[in-house]
Amino acid sequence: DGGITQSPKYLFRKEGQNVTLSCEQNLNHDAMYWYRQDPGQGLRLIYYSQIVNDFQKGDIAEGYSVSREKKESFPLTVTSAQKNPTAFYLCASRGPGGGYGYTFGSGTRLTVV
Amino acid sequence: AQTVTQSQPEMSVQEAETVTLSCTYDTSESDYYLFWYKQPPSRQMILVIRQEAYKQQNATENRFSVNFQKAAKSFSLKISDSQLGDAAMYFCASSGPSGTYKYIFGTGTRLKVLA
Repeated sequence: DGGITQSPKYLFRKEGQNVTLSCEQNLNHDAMYWYRQDPGQGLRLIYYSQIVNDFQKGDIAEGYSVSREKKESFPLTVTSAQKNPTAFYLCASRGPGGGYGYTFGSGTRLTVV
Repeated sequence: AQTVTQSQPEMSVQEAETVTLSCTYDTSESDYYLFWYKQPPSRQMILVIRQEAYKQQNATENRFSVNFQKAAKSFSLKISDSQLGDAAMYFCASSGPSGTYKYIFGTGTRLKVLA
């Protein structure tokens, strides 16, 4: 079945470390998105990509980086510059057109220890 | 800036009863889409229903329906015959700027279903 796979489900990071969250889709979608979810704040956009080898910053891109070398993959790196990385991270992809709706992965819970 | 507001942090409904979740939005786009997503305790986001702004007819999906008031920029979700499995966080979203379709989400409403 087609869908989006995020891994790992849980991730622990030490202070000063970079970590990478994986997002893979087999839906043949061009557009992919990373959102951060915090209690009481809904979903906030970190980065998005509409095509391979191109991506744009969202509302809270500081301390994060991404790449889009393949259509299927959109990994997110949480760098040591991100002051408060503990959160739930959701990856999504979208089919053609704005009304298609996002398909979401199951998320990664990142905790700083 | 485009915004989506959900003013009810938490709602409760008795099993088999009907509940309405509120959402207001602000957009400068002439053509846009609105969505309701459900996030159960598993945290998997599930698309519940979508509405195309240029369509006047309210969308319906089984027990879920919307009341779309374009002039008032209101987009409420009605859940009929509530079931225990409906308990979840519900997020309202708009499609954002055309072309990029960066969806803008509200802060969510937690729905509790009482047996």
